[in-house]
Amino acid sequence: TQLLEQSPQFLSIQEGENLTVYCNSSSVFSSLQWYRQEPGEGPVLLVTVVTGGEVKKLKRLTFQFGDARKDSSLHITAAQPGDTGLYLCAARMRTGRRALTFGSGTRLQVQP
Amino acid sequence: SAVISQKPSRDICQRGTSLTIQCQVDSQVTMMFWYRQQPGQSLTLIATANQGSEATYESGFVIDKFPISRPNLTFSTLTVSNMSPEDSSIYLCSVAVSAYEQYFGPGTRLTVT
Repeated sequence: TQLLEQSPQFLSIQEGENLTVYCNSSSVFSSLQWYRQEPGEGPVLLVTVVTGGEVKKLKRLTFQFGDARKDSSLHITAAQPGDTGLYLCAARMRTGRRALTFGSGTRLQVQP
Repeated sequence: SAVISQKPSRDICQRGTSLTIQCQVDSQVTMMFWYRQQPGQSLTLIATANQGSEATYESGFVIDKFPISRPNLTFSTLTVSNMSPEDSSIYLCSVAVSAYEQYFGPGTRLTVT
């Protein structure tokens, strides 16, 4: 059973379109991180959200943490081919546990 | 942040052999982890590499199969022992520099034939 469910699993869109990726769990997180991974590379940290209801923006990417700290979303505005990659949410599932549990991942393909 | 390097970046190994993967960090870190990423999948934690003591393994991973060393605060090794094709994966080293920041190495892509 995946503790962190991501949806959708795959997404293929045209350049300029908007999209949203979701990360859900039945557990409460102490914090949640979003990563992007490109082929042949390790995951790169995009953002960490900590407070329920928090919204963070990173250029065209908007990250939101649910009020109850059980879910999060990543919204990309006007997607570009450079946004192509595997998007992963990850959370520390128990207080004091520093290791991350990863979501199932969303593979995004942005067509020029 | 932290800069992490891994060696080798990739390898093709024969069934039954062992491979040791090295992870080097550019600063001293307390928390270091090893993850596995099977083809087309997300990341699964193998173990936490503890400096000066035995690694802490996750369910489904055992020391005999994945022995880990952590001789100091900047270096760790993971050995994949008695390999089978099912061990073909990307192995990733990771460090936590704070409660909210965890960084990854570029990974070691292992193919077992």
